[in-house]
Amino acid sequence: EPEVTQTPSHQVTQMGQEVILRCVPISNHLYFYWYRQILGQKVEFLVSFYNNEISEKSEIFDDQFSVERPDGSNFTLKIRSTKLEDSAMYFCASSESGWGNPKEETQYFGPGTRLLVL
Amino acid sequence: DAKTTQPPSMDCAEGRAANLPCNHSTISGNEYVYWYRQIHSQGPQYIIHGLKNNETNEMASLIITEDRKSSTLILPHATLRDTAVYYCIVSLGSGTYKYIFGTGTRLKVLA
Repeated sequence: EPEVTQTPSHQVTQMGQEVILRCVPISNHLYFYWYRQILGQKVEFLVSFYNNEISEKSEIFDDQFSVERPDGSNFTLKIRSTKLEDSAMYFCASSESGWGNPKEETQYFGPGTRLLVL
Repeated sequence: DAKTTQPPSMDCAEGRAANLPCNHSTISGNEYVYWYRQIHSQGPQYIIHGLKNNETNEMASLIITEDRKSSTLILPHATLRDTAVYYCIVSLGSGTYKYIFGTGTRLKVLA
């Protein structure tokens, strides 16, 4: 069964450093998402992406964050200058579409990258 | 804020049915109810979704009340591997692009 994959599974970085989290969405999916979950807290939406553009973003997704689909398979989240409070699990998700058919709109999540900022 | 409320925790005996309730009293006519679960800190796993009819798949059944203000996820024969946090999410689907997660129900299946 196709699945979303994420690399690395764990990342430790120093405050102020840049990190890039990578995701390979399910191959025929067109909509991509990043969520994060701080330890012990809710899963929070960060951003959605379609057709090489951000479709929607949350207040958390400030200028320190960016997303990119550098090729036909990868979807990346970059944090330019990490802060201690960026420590969290980051989940990538993808869906076949965003419109019209709830089955196609269902989001499938990857296993996550645990980011620790020291 | 999440548009759903769920009990924070529930226990269920292994082999018995687990019935997880969710209130979504402000749901609008074209919003769907999705259920996901999260085992430990893994990525949320899709279980099932519905609009107004009851739905069943290989994992679970979803019962939605006639007024659509609440729903129940049923795991017919819970196993220890079903121990997880279960999230009920109301999503417009078309065009909203995001899920808003609540705190979910922590289901513990007991041997």
